[in-house]
Amino acid sequence: DTAVSQTPKYLVTQMGNDKSIKCEQNLGHDTMYWYKQDSKKFLKIMFSYNNKELIINETVPNRFSPKSPDKAHLNLHINSLELGDSAVYFCASSRIGSNSPLHFGNGTRLTVT
Amino acid sequence: EDQVTQSPEALRLQEGESSSLNCSYTVSGLRGLFWYRQDPGKGPEFLFTLYSAGEEKEKERLKATLTKKESFLHITAPKPEDSATYLCAVLMDSNYQLIWGAGTKLIIKP
Repeated sequence: DTAVSQTPKYLVTQMGNDKSIKCEQNLGHDTMYWYKQDSKKFLKIMFSYNNKELIINETVPNRFSPKSPDKAHLNLHINSLELGDSAVYFCASSRIGSNSPLHFGNGTRLTVT
Repeated sequence: EDQVTQSPEALRLQEGESSSLNCSYTVSGLRGLFWYRQDPGKGPEFLFTLYSAGEEKEKERLKATLTKKESFLHITAPKPEDSATYLCAVLMDSNYQLIWGAGTKLIIKP
């Protein structure tokens, strides 16, 4: 199946830990993204990345860092997790070009205790 | 301030009862407006892109329309499987930033 897949689907961890969420797309897209969806369902962009440029939302703490081993993967690493980091994190991809629709993974529900 | 507002927050309809969802926006310039559907535990799924006032797009029981201030997602004779949260997002012309609404949760009762 052609898709955006992310793992794990659920992640429960304690404050202060470091964790990673993995994302892979086999759609041949050039650009990948990480979004955070809070309890009120708002989607907020965290990062967008293609093989040339990383764009960071300036409101994202530097504890969050994207890592891209290749064009099809964009992992999210989070250091020193805090309670407020609890949310659903979505990976997405699109063809290059701002008008291209996003294709989303099914999300990772992160719970920090 | 650039903003996208969706209404109502939730809408309960009987099967077959047509209605509309609203997405109003105040942005400095619109490059495109997107509609997505999100099922529980899933990521948003793309439905439509609209680019200019007066444009309409249709897919099965859904029709999206666009004016200079808002977009409507009309649902005709809905079925229970149309139950989902419908999200709209506006792509700004000035900085190519995508601004999302909070969504409308649509529940269709059989």
